[in-house]
Amino acid sequence: EAQVTQNPRYLITVTGKKLTVTCSQNMNHEYMSWYRQDPGLGLRQIYYSMNVEVTDKGDVPEGYKVSRKEKRNFPLILESPSPNQTSLYFCASTPTRFGTEAFFGQGTRLTVV
Amino acid sequence: KNQVEQSPQSLIILEGKNCTLQCNYTVSPFSNLRWYKQDTGRGPVSLTIMTFSENTKSNGRYTATLDADTKQSSLHITASQLSDSASYICVVRALFMNYGGSQGNLIFGKGTKLSVKP
Repeated sequence: EAQVTQNPRYLITVTGKKLTVTCSQNMNHEYMSWYRQDPGLGLRQIYYSMNVEVTDKGDVPEGYKVSRKEKRNFPLILESPSPNQTSLYFCASTPTRFGTEAFFGQGTRLTVV
Repeated sequence: KNQVEQSPQSLIILEGKNCTLQCNYTVSPFSNLRWYKQDTGRGPVSLTIMTFSENTKSNGRYTATLDADTKQSSLHITASQLSDSASYICVVRALFMNYGGSQGNLIFGKGTKLSVKP
């Protein structure tokens, strides 16, 4: 089954403790991205990757890092999480950066206390 | 500035009733527009895509319209069901002209939260 898989689905952590949210897609898509979703603000792009070893900042990149060592995986790294990073995170992929449909993962609800 | 505005922000209707959600955009040049349905706590899923030449497209009880001249789209839900309770997100893709840029030029609306009550 074609899908985007995120882990974990839920995470509660403390301020400053490094964490990684994994994202994997099995559709051989080139383009992957991370979004955060907050009430009243909609989906905002954090980082995106157009292909292996090609990543760039989205609209709200501060406090986040990503890597794209393999085509299928696109982890999101929070080196020193802060409470303002409490949010619902989504990973998405499209066949290419011009793909018309984004396929989203199930989401990761992160709480930083 | 490329923007997508959705209205209303939230909507409550009774089961079996119809409703219409609105999406206005200022994205240019326009490529296509998608409506996504997002169940609470889950990722958005595409309902339908509208390209420049399409005026109306149906997907079951969902009918999307597009007026490219006025840059407006609507999503009409007929005979609503409890399972229609979700957020509906309008996403417009700009026709990408130059190399670089974020999102592959996807501009997201903030969504309309629909609640269908029994």
